[in-house]
Amino acid sequence: DAKTTQPTSMDCAEGRAANLPCNHSTISGNEYVYWYRQIHSQGPQYIIHGLKNNETNEMASLIITEDRKSSTLILPHATLRDTAVYYCIVNPWGGSEKLVFGKGTKLTVNP
Amino acid sequence: NAGVTQTPKFQVLKTGQSMTLQCAQDMNHEYMSWYRQDPGMGLRLIHYSVGAGITDQGEVPNGYNVSRSTTEDFPLRLLSAAPSQTSVYFCASTLTRLSLNTEAFFGQGTRLTVV
Repeated sequence: DAKTTQPTSMDCAEGRAANLPCNHSTISGNEYVYWYRQIHSQGPQYIIHGLKNNETNEMASLIITEDRKSSTLILPHATLRDTAVYYCIVNPWGGSEKLVFGKGTKLTVNP
Repeated sequence: NAGVTQTPKFQVLKTGQSMTLQCAQDMNHEYMSWYRQDPGMGLRLIHYSVGAGITDQGEVPNGYNVSRSTTEDFPLRLLSAAPSQTSVYFCASTLTRLSLNTEAFFGQGTRLTVV
């Protein structure tokens, strides 16, 4: 499985866009980029995933670079409830036995 | 649609006691798994199952047993609890390991303390 690198922590002002980067320079051609988040004391929550095209859903947008070595999760209008640890992971086509969660990025949205 | 339901939410055990953490999903998912989460360690896979009657070990299986008699349920058993098993336990399910859409659904966790 490809490894990912994320900043340990980030801050964002409420109402502004939060841009969370992820480096996955060893990603293989059949591996998807997934983002999850974990709000304090809760179970991880799926946000979005993509292969090579940019993706958008009701929660966020995912921008993947053309060489697929990095991606950015965008929360367009961050709220206090978006304060959480955000995990970027890669999964091979067809899934895997396990989800490898790294340390993630602790995003703090400030009022 | 309840998703993934874990019980209990909190539990305190004495060393040597046994207990079962319950996990149930109502999404007809084939794949279910158990993780533990410790401070600074991230999520670690304990056991997983790719379907009823099939289970396998993850990264940290020692001290835990599982079974999968139905698609819906995947209980985790601690036969003789140890303080090292103090942790937060999460159950997760996905439609199938072989699916393009491998979004995982997690339960809300069981906080276990072994004294």
